[in-house]
Amino acid sequence: GAGVSQSPRYKVTKRGQDVALRCDPISGHVSLYWYRQALGQGPEFLTYFNYEAQQDKSGLPNDRFSAERPEGSISTLTIQRTEQRDSAMYRCASSSGGNTEAFFGQGTRLTVV
Amino acid sequence: AQKITQTQPGMFVQEKEAVTLDCTYDTSDPSYGLFWYKQPSSGEMIFLIYQGSYDQQNATEGRYSLNFQKARKSANLVISASQLGDSAMYFCAMSLWQGNNRLAFGKGNQVVVIP
Repeated sequence: GAGVSQSPRYKVTKRGQDVALRCDPISGHVSLYWYRQALGQGPEFLTYFNYEAQQDKSGLPNDRFSAERPEGSISTLTIQRTEQRDSAMYRCASSSGGNTEAFFGQGTRLTVV
Repeated sequence: AQKITQTQPGMFVQEKEAVTLDCTYDTSDPSYGLFWYKQPSSGEMIFLIYQGSYDQQNATEGRYSLNFQKARKSANLVISASQLGDSAMYFCAMSLWQGNNRLAFGKGNQVVVIP
């Protein structure tokens, strides 16, 4: 696609439910990143893929968070047993690799009630 | 570990004037990249400009320029001839070449351009 696409744009879920956030990167981009952005803060790194391999998941807050990119393109970030503190904007970015700029999607605003 | 510091309070800028946004960083790695992103009220993250740690000249992109002072570990963004559409939050970020190129962001600078 022309840009990084994330869905859904908004998600309201009840505490304890699982959610899956989807990211469709720019076609051909090797690297895919997930970030989380709290209100009034900069994005915070969660995890990173090169092709289908998850290279770094050190930013995932706990084991309720997981991510996959099975075919090296679309990625899914899954949060199990959501808690109110998980409420934030979740952003996906992709890049062509190397030290190049990352292009961000519009984000998914997650609200846990 | 990388650290980015943006400490300026919110800024009001007169239209057509220049504005400088401060950013300092901390890393012991010699190879890194510095980025600035713009986040308007719509929430998108827009890439503005990039500076590599070995670049000899300051990066420029249209009305944006990056004042890179390596010894002082600063990477200030200069926006010339401010426009109303420049009102946004601006984030400075850094990535390490030897790492996974993940971006470490500062907390951002809020800019409001007034007519």
